[in-house]
Amino acid sequence: QKEVEQNSGPLSVPEGAIASLNCTYSDRGSQSFFWYRQYSGKSPELIMFIYSNGDKEDGRFTAQLNKASQYVSLLIRDSQPSDSATYLCAVSRGAGKSTFGDGTTLTVKP
Amino acid sequence: DTAVSQTPKYLVTQMGNDKSIKCEQNLGHDTMYWYKQDSKKFLKIMFSYNNKELIINETVPNRFSPKSPDKAHLNLHINSLELGDSAVYFCASSLLIRASGRAPGELFFGEGSRLTVL
Repeated sequence: QKEVEQNSGPLSVPEGAIASLNCTYSDRGSQSFFWYRQYSGKSPELIMFIYSNGDKEDGRFTAQLNKASQYVSLLIRDSQPSDSATYLCAVSRGAGKSTFGDGTTLTVKP
Repeated sequence: DTAVSQTPKYLVTQMGNDKSIKCEQNLGHDTMYWYKQDSKKFLKIMFSYNNKELIINETVPNRFSPKSPDKAHLNLHINSLELGDSAVYFCASSLLIRASGRAPGELFFGEGSRLTVL
């Protein structure tokens, strides 16, 4: 079992729709949860982090965390073509180590 | 004013050669990392240094040797390069403690160094 698993892609949604990205993790000691976005040929950049159960909203992005289910998700509302990228879920139990999932490639079609 | 900078951005070399990648961060972070991203986009941690001390050393061939002369710099030297070493190597930095508005361990990545071994 992989430490961090993301829903297999690629994921394609029409412009204006909601994109839903999911991630599960195996380490119950995990404390911090991150979503990074990586455009093709670029480096990952952080778009959301969450460390408490529940929802966290930032503009069109909402991260959801359920530690009991070991599940974290990212919702992108009103998806735009500029959201087309690979989204990486990362999980950390501290001490500087983040473990990444394989990533989900999102395409938003105009 | 680049926050995390790596050089070189591209390396093309023959099997068996030795190469180095350098990384510098000006964010005042205390922890630096090397990650390897393969052709399938999987990011895997290789090494981490906190204030010049090695704190993470994943299962990596000992042909890979990191070095941190100070907490703002982290280098990676690779001996006897093999075809399977071809990848993008990302340097990153973070703070281990929780800073205002930030999660501990939030990573700031360099632009990556694409290594091609022929």
